[in-house]
Amino acid sequence: EAEVAQSPRYKITEKSQAVAFWCDPISGHATLYWYRQILGQGPELLVQFQDESVVDDSQLPKDRFSAERLKGVDSTLKIQPAELGDSAMYLCASSFALASDTQYFGPGTRLTVL
Amino acid sequence: AQTVTQSQPEMSVQEAETVTLSCTYDTSESDYYLFWYKQPPSRQMILVIRQEAYKQQNATENRFSVNFQKAAKSFSLKISDSQLGDAAMYFCAYRSAMGGAQKLVFGQGTRLTINP
Repeated sequence: EAEVAQSPRYKITEKSQAVAFWCDPISGHATLYWYRQILGQGPELLVQFQDESVVDDSQLPKDRFSAERLKGVDSTLKIQPAELGDSAMYLCASSFALASDTQYFGPGTRLTVL
Repeated sequence: AQTVTQSQPEMSVQEAETVTLSCTYDTSESDYYLFWYKQPPSRQMILVIRQEAYKQQNATENRFSVNFQKAAKSFSLKISDSQLGDAAMYFCAYRSAMGGAQKLVFGQGTRLTINP
């Protein structure tokens, strides 16, 4: 069964350093989402792509976060510089199309900022 | 903006028993989707069940069923014959059906423990 792939699974970094997370959606899925999940809370959307275009990045802290999906397939989320409050699980999800109701999630990257 | 509330941070149930997880939501829209996702420890989030708001019939997936009360904006999940593998965080989520760029709005989650 096809799955959303993410790497790394765990990342420990010091504040002010740069970090990057990678996501490979299910093949053929045009829509890709990055969510942030703080411990003990539900995920919150950071950015949504349709193919290579950003559809919604209203909750992305653009002073330090950036996301790209250059060829409309895999995606990278970057944080520079990382802050203590960025410690969280970063989840990637994909769906077949923009209007698709079902999103499929990857295993996530757990980020710890020291 | 839509909000989703799960009022039970933790629940526990004996193996083979039935448990119900509560979820309420707030929206002014008439067409939307509701979901229950399961997140086992250190594993990825998986879809348990989904409900279209325009359907009056409650969704069912094997041992999982929902009680969808549209007027009350309530969407509870019932797990029958609970199994040890059901232990996880359960998230209720809302998605608008209007327009294309519609994100999932999640509740805070309910941690379900299954007692052997």
